[in-house]
Parts: sequence; C-alpha cells; structure tokens
Amino acid sequence: DAKTTQPPSMDCAEGRAANLPCNHSTISGNEYVYWYRQIHSQGPQYIIHGLKNNETNEMASLIITEDRKSSTLILPHATLRDTAVYYCIVRGRGTNFGNEKLTFGTGTRLTIIP
Amino acid sequence: ETGVTQTPRHLVMGMTNKKSLKCEQHLGHNAMYWYKQSAKKPLELMFVYSLEERVENNSVPSRFSPECPNSSHLFLHLHTLQPEDSALYLCASSPLYVIQGANTGELFFGEGSRLTVL
Repeated sequence: DAKTTQPPSMDCAEGRAANLPCNHSTISGNEYVYWYRQIHSQGPQYIIHGLKNNETNEMASLIITEDRKSSTLILPHATLRDTAVYYCIVRGRGTNFGNEKLTFGTGTRLTIIP
Repeated sequence: ETGVTQTPRHLVMGMTNKKSLKCEQHLGHNAMYWYKQSAKKPLELMFVYSLEERVENNSVPSRFSPECPNSSHLFLHLHTLQPEDSALYLCASSPLYVIQGANTGELFFGEGSRLTVL
C-alpha cells in the first residue's frame, strides 16, 4: 500500500507557481521522499528527492516540513508541458531496493491552464 | 531518453497467442521491475528482480512469466492472456541502494509497451 496521500487533482495557471502537497505522516527516519511525474501514456519521470532538507534542482523545489510528515513540490513557473500526474513516494535509505515493494499511489493530476 | 528501452512499443495479440515483452538497460543497475498500468488506475507493481533473482511476485497470474537472464535484460512472457490484461506495461531499473553523492536511487522507466488483447 502507498505510504503517501495526495489530492487527486489540481489546476494552476500557466506562469504561476504550482504547489503540490503530499502527506507522509508515517515516514520513518531512514526514508526519502521522492517525486515523479507521468505525462500521458509515458513512463514516470524522476523529478527530485529529499531526506529532511529542502532541495532544489533545475526542474523543481522540494520543501519538507521539520517533522517530515508532509512535503510540497514546487514548480516555480508552470508551463503547459507540466500537465501530468505527479506521484509522491517514500523509499528507504540503506535498504536494498530489490527487496522493497515500491508502490505508487494515485498521485495528483495537475492541469496547467493557459 | 532514460536509458531503459522497451520493445515492442505496441503489441496486439489474441488470447491464444504467446508473445514476449523485452526491456533493456545499460545503466549498471542491479534492480529491475515490471509494472502494469491499466486505464485510469495507478501503477501496479508486478515483479521485482534484484541481482537477477526474483524477489517479488505481486500475486500476478501465471499467464505472465518474467525472465531476467542477466542484469541488463528483463523479459515478460505472455501466454493465454485475457482482454482485461490490456494495459501499458512499464519496465524500470534502479540501483540497489542510495549512495549519497553517487546516485539518487531513482527508478528509470522505459516508455512502456502498450498491449491490447483481443
């Protein structure tokens, strides 16, 4: 079962910042938060991940609350190409991923409005 | 281009056919995965291979048979499928561990094989 909960859908105006929340209240100390997105009928694409500090890369920023029970993915200037389903998942650090039953939830369907 | 290649991209087969899906990666990853994505459903994990050994079989019917001959290749053999098996089948690979400064531990997905069973 997915360890995260996300709103099923969100809209954002083109050019504005898109803020996608994720709740992972049962996260343990050795688990990372990962974000992926899936554009229609393509394979999911990695966006960013973090442990407890805020992270930024060329695609997005990740803000993780101090208690690590929730996080927000920020797309600073959303474009039409950012329309996709966004998945927030948790993965163990120091865990053999081959032994991990990694599941994706239903994600958030983000629609960028022109 | 993720470095994970799936073939064929599209496949139409009858219920009595035998076919195979192929996945290939040369990223040096030692974990490989098959996921199924039916219309308007979340990704379902089917199989996981770690160091070429199957470590997860997520209650998948026996008409789906995976094979991992080496760390770079993964197959999904299909036999006597049902129309409800029509879906997008996604292959992914990843390192076995997150190594700080060396990798992100992310899954690299292929573009998928869209299967239609008539």
